[in-house]
Order: sequence, then C-alpha cells, then structure tokens
Amino acid sequence: AQSVTQPDIHITVSEGASLELRCNYSYGATPYLFWYVQSPGQGLQLLLKYFSGDTLVQGIKGFEAEFKRSQSSFNLRKPSVHWSDAAEYFCAVGEDSSASKIIFGSGTRLSIRP
Amino acid sequence: GAVVSQHPSRVICKSGTSVKIECRSLDFQATTMFWYRQFPKQSLMLMATSNEGSKATYEQGVEKDKFLINHASLTLSTLTVTSAHPEDSSFYICSLPRQGYNEQFFGPGTRLTVL
Repeated sequence: AQSVTQPDIHITVSEGASLELRCNYSYGATPYLFWYVQSPGQGLQLLLKYFSGDTLVQGIKGFEAEFKRSQSSFNLRKPSVHWSDAAEYFCAVGEDSSASKIIFGSGTRLSIRP
Repeated sequence: GAVVSQHPSRVICKSGTSVKIECRSLDFQATTMFWYRQFPKQSLMLMATSNEGSKATYEQGVEKDKFLINHASLTLSTLTVTSAHPEDSSFYICSLPRQGYNEQFFGPGTRLTVL
C-alpha cells in the first residue's frame, strides 16, 4: 500500500533563510507526487507536482522539489522564505496518472521567525 | 482555472441532527469526486470516492450509513452526515480530478461543528 511520511511535525526558520521540508513515500510503481500548502482555515493549494521527466520540479511561490527514486524522497525547498510562507505543508502521493486517489502525509507546520 | 465550490463553508448543528454538504464543480464535469476529512492539526484522510450514477466507495473504517454520499450529476456531489455527534466535528473537503490535468482540484472545505 502506498504511504507518505513527513518526519518533521513543526519547523521554524528565520525569514530570508532557506527551507527544506522532507517527504518520503512508499509506492510500488512510479509515483505521482504532490506538495500542497494550506493556510489556517483554508483549503489546499497545489505548489507543484511530479509525474515523470526532470526530477527537479519548479512550482509556484518560488518552491521547488526534487524527486530521488533511490531515496524514495520528494523534498520541498525554497531558497529564501517569506513571512507569508507560514502554513501547513502536505506531501501527497497519487495512485495513477489521473491523480484519482491521493494519500496525504501528516503535514509539516512551518513557522517563520521575524 | 478550475473552480470547485463547497456549501456551506461553515455549519454548526446540534447533536443528533443531519447536515448536508455540497461539492460543486463550476467549470468542468467530473464522474468522480473525493471526500476527505481533516481533524484539527491533522492531515486529510480520504473518506470515500463518489461516483456519478452509482454507489460511493468508502474507505476502511468509514461508516457508509453515517456518511451518505450522493453524486447525482457530473457537477454535484453531496455528503450528508447523519445523526451527527461532536466527534464528527471536522473540516470536510471535496476534490475532483480533471482529465488531462493530472491533479485534483480541491474545494475550500466545510467546517462542521456539532454541539
């Protein structure tokens, strides 16, 4: 069965500092991977997705993620965080190409230190 | 871009009553819709898959008689929480896959509070 692990429950970084949020997945076939962001009380916004091709994926808001099959990882990065990046971040794995069934990780809460 | 709406956005009800939540696609048709539940400070858990014109498929541990799903058209799915109890208080989110986009489009969510 597919699963997603986000080992960090809560991370605090200073504004302007770099960020890396970890994500590990378990899936038998080629995974379809996503990163979503959720602000308090809000719905989900897709940051980026990976299906195939270039393993470094660029997303919105300056985020990027790198797919590493050998490590079963899909870590999210940003070179310089802004106070508005404070939110909950979810890594997710999709079942097939139509993204029909998505399994979410437990989430990482990001706080920004002024 | 694709727009998915949910109604109501927030609802408070008394224990024992039933609450209906609508998920509507505003600009594309979806034969399948998904319902998720998110408890405070937790992740989204898939509850069920709503299929247009047929019975919904429920995830293990989700009571189908308590969470009634009706997908009556290609743009509307409803989730009815029957005989709601305080432990049903949660954030309910629907999502729709859109052919050719390789992603799901999420609704803004409905916050249910059962007193």
